[in-house]
Formats: sequence, structure tokens, C-alpha cells
Amino acid sequence: DGGITQSPKYLFRKEGQNVTLSCEQNLNHDAMYWYRQDPGQGLRLIYYSQIVNDFQKGDIAEGYSVSREKKESFPLTVTSAQKNPTAFYLCASSTRMGNGYTFGSGTRLTVV
Amino acid sequence: KQEVTQIPAALSVPEGENLVLNCSFTDSAIYNLQWFRQDPGKGLTSLLLIQSSQREQTSGRLNASLDKSSGRSTLYIAASQPGDSATYLCAVTDSGNTPLVFGKGTRLSVIA
Repeated sequence: DGGITQSPKYLFRKEGQNVTLSCEQNLNHDAMYWYRQDPGQGLRLIYYSQIVNDFQKGDIAEGYSVSREKKESFPLTVTSAQKNPTAFYLCASSTRMGNGYTFGSGTRLTVV
Repeated sequence: KQEVTQIPAALSVPEGENLVLNCSFTDSAIYNLQWFRQDPGKGLTSLLLIQSSQREQTSGRLNASLDKSSGRSTLYIAASQPGDSATYLCAVTDSGNTPLVFGKGTRLSVIA
């Protein structure tokens, strides 16, 4: 079955650590996205990529980094510069024209 | 900058009622509008997509309408069931290759 896989489901980060969230899709979608969800805040865009080896900052990119070396993969690194990383992170993909949006099941990141 | 607002933030209804969820957006030059459902701690599931040239879309007990000129959409749920309890999110994109902008969602509870 085609879909998006996010891992891990839960992640704990110590102060000062970088952590990487995985996102893999087998839908042959060109575009991939990372959103952050906080209680009562809706979804806010972190980064997006419309093609391999290219990506753009979203509204809240500070403290995050991404790469897009393969069409299927769009990992997100939460760096130590992100001061409040505790949140629910959602990865999505779509066709290049913005159709067929499909979301992963999310990663819940907690700072300990 | 596009902004999406959803009213009400939360809604509780008895089983069997018909209900309407509202979504408004500030820039009427949209490419499409989508409604999603999110269960607690889960990813998003696409419910309905309305292209800018369309006025409504229907899927089972769900009907979504779009009035682009006034910047509004409604999601109508007929004969509500406890299984409809979830958060419903509205999102728009300004063009085929820009990411979705989300509202904060409406949290629906259907009481048996």
C-alpha cells in the first residue's frame, strides 16, 4: 500500500542535542512538507520541498534543518538552536500541483 | 499573507444532529480548499477537496461548499454519529505549488 511513514512515533531529546525525524513516502509524490502542531495552534509550516535537492523555508524554520537527497525521503533535524521543540511533528506529501495531500501518523517530540 | 479562521473552536452535539463547521480565509485568490479530519494523536485524513472553480463537493454524509468571493467554506455533516468525533481542519493553497495554510480546527464531540 502507498503511504507515508514517519519514525519514530515518540522521541525524547535532551537539552543541547540534535535529533532527526524520519519521513519516507512511496506515493511517487514530488512535493514533501514538514508541519509542527502545538495544542490550540493548528499546523504551522517548517520546511517544504518540491523537487529533489531543493527546499524552502516555511513560517517557523529557525532551529530546524532538512535535506532532500532522494524523492522518497525528507528528514527533519531539530537542532539545539530550537528552544522550544516539544510538539507533534507531521510530514506530508503531494503531487507537484498540490493535489493528493497525504499525511504521516506523526512524531511526538519531548524535551527531557 | 493568507490566514484561515475556523469557527467554532469546539462543538458538542447529540447524536443524529446535522451540523455545520465554518472556515474563512483572507485572500480569495485560492487554488483549492481542503477539509481534513484528525483523531487525537494521529495524522490528518483528507475528507474533501474543492478546486477554486467548484462550488461544492460531497462524500457520503459530508458536503463541503466554497464561496470564493466571500472567502468562506462550510462543512456540513448530516446525521452525526459518535464516530464523527474528531478535530476538523480547513486548509487552502494559493497556487498549485505552494503549501497548504491551515486553520486551527474545530474540535467536534458527538454525544451518544
